[in-house]
This record gives sequence, C-alpha cells and structure tokens, in this order.
Amino acid sequence: EVQLVESGGGLVKPGGSLRLSCAASEFTFGTYTMNWVRQAPGKGLEWVSSISSNSNYIYYIDSVKGRFTVSRDNAKKSLYLQMDSLRDEDTAVYYCARDRPGGGSVFDYWGQGTLVRVSS
Amino acid sequence: NFMLTQPHSVSESPGKTITISCTRSSGSIASNYVQWYQQRPGSSPTTVIYEDNQRPSGVPDRFSGSIDASSNSASLSISGLKTEDEADYFCQSYDDNNHRVFGGGTKLTVL
Repeated sequence: EVQLVESGGGLVKPGGSLRLSCAASEFTFGTYTMNWVRQAPGKGLEWVSSISSNSNYIYYIDSVKGRFTVSRDNAKKSLYLQMDSLRDEDTAVYYCARDRPGGGSVFDYWGQGTLVRVSS
Repeated sequence: NFMLTQPHSVSESPGKTITISCTRSSGSIASNYVQWYQQRPGSSPTTVIYEDNQRPSGVPDRFSGSIDASSNSASLSISGLKTEDEADYFCQSYDDNNHRVFGGGTKLTVL
C-alpha cells in the first residue's frame, strides 16, 4: 500500500523557517510528480507546490513564491518543503500528495499531514 | 487564473440523491479535467472522481461526475445517500501553467 508520511511541522514565530519532509514508500517514488497541499484550520484545501519526477518542472502558488522551496531526493524517496519568512497566514496542515500517473493533475494518494503553526 | 465556486453546504436524507456543483469563473470547464475529493472529519482527502467522470477502484458507483459546458460547471452526484457519505467535498482542476485550483468545498450533511 502506498504510504506518504509527513514530518517537520511545529510552532514557529513569524519570519521564521521550517523544513517539512515527506517519506514515501511502496511505490517507485522517482517516477511520480509530487505535491504539497495545505489546509488552514477550518478552511478548504489550497495547492502550494508541485515538483516533477526529475525536478525539472517546479511550480508554486503565487503567495509562497520566493519564500518556499520544494525539492526531492529520489534516492531517499523523500520530498521536502523549505519554508522561509513564514507568516501567520501560512498556518495550516501541510499534506504531501502524489500525482496519479498519466496526467490530469489528479492527487491520488495523500499523507496524514503535518501541522505548521506560525504565531508569536 | 480562474476560481472554482461550490455551494457552502448541502443536506439531504439517507437514500436520496444530491448534486454538488463546481462553477469555473473563466475559461472553459472542458479545458482541463476536474477531480472531486472527499474529506471526512479528521482525515486526509481521498479521490472519489477524477478526469471529470472516472471513479477510482473502490469508490461505489453511487458516485458520479459530469461537466456541463452551458453552465461552465462540473457536478458530483451521490445517489442512495448513506450516513458515511457525510463529509466535505472539494472539486479541483488546473490551469495551463499546471497550477492546481481547488473549490472552496461543500459540507454534505446526511440527516
């Protein structure tokens, strides 16, 4: 069974940094586009970033451009999100999600999420 | 970029049928596939419909998806409602720059 396990969340002050990780197992990680999706408390889902299988194509939502950096290590089967200059509005559960193969931009598997709280 | 607009909430009795709409603000709904995700309280989202009308294995055929060019919207229908269907439902599509867009979500209550 595909598994995605996020870690690295926590409480951080505005302006601070945090690095999230997502450990993948039970699938060929290096052949899939991966994503970060967040959900603020009591709110809806918001796509944050995507990274292609070979890291050649990287996309961000405008609100995090220049502050967040997505990366991956296919040998370690891991996805990362470096979050700098954090703001209150970045408070959310951050999910790692896999793209369904074959295009269509479908998230077919999700992790359980890790909570990031930005507060002074 | 475009927005996807969903009703905030919908409620219905067990055994009935509901339809949740997802209206695209600009550009054609048919231009890019639409997905639907179910999120039960305290859980991660799961896919119930992908590529407009495809059901992943394990999703009952009570769930169906469609698009309507005339209203520029996608719809998720659930027939034979069960209490276990009570959840938040999100539509999702993407733009030509591969930026993903979610609707605001619809809370389904099965009374």
